[in-house]
Amino acid sequence: AQSVTQPDIHITVSEGASLELRCNYSYGATPYLFWYVQSPGQGLQLLLKYFSGDTLVQGIKGFEAEFKRSQSSFNLRKPSVHWSDAAEYFCAVGGDNDYKLSFGAGTTVTVRA
Amino acid sequence: DGGITQSPKYLFRKEGQNVTLSCEQNLNHDAMYWYRQDPGQGLRLIYYSQIVNDFQKGDIAEGYSVSREKKESFPLTVTSAQKNPTAFYLCASSRLARQETQYFGPGTRLLVL
Repeated sequence: AQSVTQPDIHITVSEGASLELRCNYSYGATPYLFWYVQSPGQGLQLLLKYFSGDTLVQGIKGFEAEFKRSQSSFNLRKPSVHWSDAAEYFCAVGGDNDYKLSFGAGTTVTVRA
Repeated sequence: DGGITQSPKYLFRKEGQNVTLSCEQNLNHDAMYWYRQDPGQGLRLIYYSQIVNDFQKGDIAEGYSVSREKKESFPLTVTSAQKNPTAFYLCASSRLARQETQYFGPGTRLLVL
């Protein structure tokens, strides 16, 4: 079965600084990888996804992620953070056998002025 | 507007009571999912359904029940057998393909009186 680890529970970053959120997955074959964002008390919104092709994926709100098979990672990056990026971020992995996703525990991002 | 609606936004349960959470989608998606979210644990799958009148248990189905009588609707009942029901419940839907995005509703927060 697939699984996801997000090593950082909480990250604080200054507005305008760069942001990188780590995601490590466990899956035997080619995974389907997703990053979602959640504002407090809200549902999840898709930022980007990878399932084949170019390993650098562009998403909404200026986010990008890079799939590295050798490291089993799918880290999320943003060059310059805005105060509105304060939220909780979830990495998820899906496999070939079903349509289920396995989610990481999430990383909370705080943006300081 | 196409999307997923969940109601109510807040729900209070008394000891020994069954409560039902509503989830409706007008995206014409075949698959629907229920997740439970607790702080620091990410999202855990309760039940999912890929077709009307059929559904499968997820990772934490004990104490919950579902039905799928219509493609648009996937209600979740939290039974009295669920001893720790306080959580944020999220409904999602997707097309039936591995790389398809799961779209989430706004969530229902269940609290125990």
